[in-house]
Amino acid sequence: GQNIDQPTEMTATEGAIVQINCTYQTSGFNGLFWYQQHAGEAPTFLSYNVLDGLEEKGRFSSFLSRSKGYSYLLLKELQMKDSASYLCAVRGNNRLAFGKGNQVVVIP
Amino acid sequence: GAVVSQHPSRVICKSGTSVKIECRSLDFQATTMFWYRQFPKQSLMLMATSNEGSKATYEQGVEKDKFLINHASLTLSTLTVTSAHPEDSSFYICSARGGRGEFTDTQYFGPGTRLTVL
Repeated sequence: GQNIDQPTEMTATEGAIVQINCTYQTSGFNGLFWYQQHAGEAPTFLSYNVLDGLEEKGRFSSFLSRSKGYSYLLLKELQMKDSASYLCAVRGNNRLAFGKGNQVVVIP
Repeated sequence: GAVVSQHPSRVICKSGTSVKIECRSLDFQATTMFWYRQFPKQSLMLMATSNEGSKATYEQGVEKDKFLINHASLTLSTLTVTSAHPEDSSFYICSARGGRGEFTDTQYFGPGTRLTVL
């Protein structure tokens, strides 16, 4: 099976940088995804890592270490609209399993 | 990114009725579609995976006779909740993954359907 662990909630100030961690265990690893989900809405795709290292996409960066079963999502220059839940999802044996998500609250 | 639509966005029905939810990939051909369910403050739980033209694969604990999935074409999958009961009230989200190009590895999500069974 798959096991994904994320911290549950964090608060950060507008303009700050926040790092959201995700650890996982899976067999047949074939990619790690980060999604953003606002309350009552479906997740939107943010990033995809399948090889070790850092993927940068504007204000968002995602890092993967396959040997450690670890990823993080880095949000820079936080904006109020970044207040959302951030979901880490791991694909193993062609199944995408989600963590519970990390709720980020951005305050002025 | 790819666009996945879902209809209806919200439905309220009486206990015992059946509800059909449609999921469409609008700008790519989705070889695989996924149906998820999400309860408040919970993670997305995969219900079933369907490949075009073949029977869906259901996750353990998901009743295939209650949640009927049809993936008749590369752009359309439907989920029918038969004889819905209040405990089936949830947020149902479909996801699609394409067969080639930029859409191959990434799952794109529809906007979700909020089902309330009275």
